[in-house]
Amino acid sequence: DADVTQTPRNRITKTGKRIMLECSQTKGHDRMYWYRQDPGLGLQLIYYSFDVKDINKGEISDGYSVSRQAQAKFSLSLESAIPNQTALYFCATSEGSPETQYFGPGTRLLVL
Amino acid sequence: DQQVKQNSPSLSVQEGRISILNCDYTNSMFDYFLWYKKYPAEGPTFLISISSIKDKNEDGRFTVFLNKSAKHLSLHIVPSQPGDSAVYFCAASSSNYQLIWGAGTKLIIKP
Repeated sequence: DADVTQTPRNRITKTGKRIMLECSQTKGHDRMYWYRQDPGLGLQLIYYSFDVKDINKGEISDGYSVSRQAQAKFSLSLESAIPNQTALYFCATSEGSPETQYFGPGTRLLVL
Repeated sequence: DQQVKQNSPSLSVQEGRISILNCDYTNSMFDYFLWYKKYPAEGPTFLISISSIKDKNEDGRFTVFLNKSAKHLSLHIVPSQPGDSAVYFCAASSSNYQLIWGAGTKLIIKP
């Protein structure tokens, strides 16, 4: 079984809709991350969490919110989706120093 | 302004030859560098890393070289195999546990 899972794997939604992307991990890591990837660009950090009570904004957090329901679960929400949020979204986990992150398979989101 | 740059969007190499992927960075505070490999429809997977106190790290067919004065690192794959065809990302971090990513280089290994 995969250590980091993401649901759904693909999603099509309409402008203005609320959508939630979910991430679960069995690695037992405290740190979790949400990234988005756009064509021709590297991964951009949306939010990260060092434990259940510690949530931090990344470089592109506007239009997104997150919830860390448990050590193993970290959800990303788009409160009112817009077309430029069409992208590939990745969840990742890590522990220890120095930093090595482990990624889920990604969610491909299309906002019409 | 991009702090980590991979200037070659793609690279084509003959099977059995050496593949060299390059990465440049601008932030002198970066002290740890990583290479990730990504296949289509999958998340990136960790490949190899190097600390700023070293200038070379080797793992099987993969070697990463770091030139701090030039703020440049490279990944060498020898010999290149068809399964190495993927997108390779360079990433860098300082002490705050955040990774800064390059845009990736698509490596194509020709048979």
